[in-house]
Amino acid sequence: QKEVEQNSGPLSVPEGAIASLNCTYSDRVSQSFFWYRQYSGKSPELIMSIYSNGDKEDGRFTAQLNKASQYVSLLIRDSQPSDSATYLCAVYSNSGYALNFGKGTSLLVTP
Amino acid sequence: EPEVTQTPSHQVTQMGQEVILRCVPISNHLYFYWYRQILGQKVEFLVSFYNNEISEKSEIFDDQFSVERPDGSNFTLKIRSTKLEDSAMYFCASSDSGEGASTDTQYFGPGTRLTVL
Repeated sequence: QKEVEQNSGPLSVPEGAIASLNCTYSDRVSQSFFWYRQYSGKSPELIMSIYSNGDKEDGRFTAQLNKASQYVSLLIRDSQPSDSATYLCAVYSNSGYALNFGKGTSLLVTP
Repeated sequence: EPEVTQTPSHQVTQMGQEVILRCVPISNHLYFYWYRQILGQKVEFLVSFYNNEISEKSEIFDDQFSVERPDGSNFTLKIRSTKLEDSAMYFCASSDSGEGASTDTQYFGPGTRLTVL
């Protein structure tokens, strides 16, 4: 079973600060990585995908990938209370059909 | 913006009964998926479906489960004889894969909460 590991949190940051969320994965051949946001009782909502080593920026979000360390992270700049949610890291299985999810990190942004 | 829809939003059933969960994927998408999330646990893959056949299934997807695309728009998950442990949120997802499934973004529907009594 290929694993995707995340700290469960909660991670608490003040409004306006940078939130840093981390994820490690066990399958060295993984090529595609996704960050989803999930509000309580709702479905996963895509934030970003990343496929190459380095940084990828989209608005206040930056995804970082290091395949050698099997590590992917998500930075949220200027955090807002509306960013309070659980952030899910997901990695495709070897077959390329199933997304393997981590348990998610709970983020709380305090006003 | 196109989105995946699911019905019903909440289904309550008695143990041993059959349930069918329905999904309408995004219209030009080619790959369809079912996931489940037991309360407080991670999202788990059940099955993927492409070109009218199952492309991958997990250990969870045993003989009690089946999927079908009965027409050009709907995608269904059937649980033949529900158990208490089937109580979970069930999410349908779809992706548009033109180049290869393993890079596609999967878009999730709002989910069906299944409660088995």
